[in-house]
Amino acid sequence: AQKVTQAQTEISVVEKEDVTLDCVYETRDTTYYLFWYKQPPSGELVFLIRRNSFDEQNEISGRYSWNFQKSTSSFNFTITASQVVDSAVYFCALKDGGYNKLIFGAGTRLAVHP
Amino acid sequence: DTEVTQTPKHLVMGMTNKKSLKCEQHMGHRAMYWYKQKAKKPPELMFVYSYEKLSINESVPSRFSPECPNSSLLNLHLHALQPEDSALYLCASSQGGRGKFNNEQFFGPGTRLTVL
Repeated sequence: AQKVTQAQTEISVVEKEDVTLDCVYETRDTTYYLFWYKQPPSGELVFLIRRNSFDEQNEISGRYSWNFQKSTSSFNFTITASQVVDSAVYFCALKDGGYNKLIFGAGTRLAVHP
Repeated sequence: DTEVTQTPKHLVMGMTNKKSLKCEQHMGHRAMYWYKQKAKKPPELMFVYSYEKLSINESVPSRFSPECPNSSLLNLHLHALQPEDSALYLCASSQGGRGKFNNEQFFGPGTRLTVL
């Protein structure tokens, strides 16, 4: 069975702190896809990144970076020098190669205070 | 243009009303989705359309009726809803097509539905 676990329900940091959001996944498939989405208070889910199971390269995009480790089934997300605009709920999601359905984690609510 | 639009933004309806939610995308995507999201929960998939045909129905009650008139439009017809159906309804689209269902989904801003 597929499952995504985001153990951190809420995180509160002060602006300019670095913060890491954890994501652990379970799947029996050898081909799968991992995603991170951001949901600000407005409600729209904003796509941040997709990572394929056969590509373990980590990625950096500005203040955002992602660490994909198949050995520990983790796909963690780090925000460097956090800003108030980063305040949102962040969802990690998993999709296998055969079924067109995203399995979402429960989400992590990040609050960045000035 | 990576935009999915949804109307209306807010909807209040009684249990005997009939209403429709609308979703539109102009990215040439061939897969479209309806999700339901309750407060403080992740989105739950309801329906998937692929090339204007319903490909997934996640055992959604018949009071929700999806429709895909063309490749750019997706509707969700609502009838005889219950108060527990109050939620944020999100539409999404993705590229779809052979080998492309694993592409990322782009979401609209959602419709906040309240059933009285």
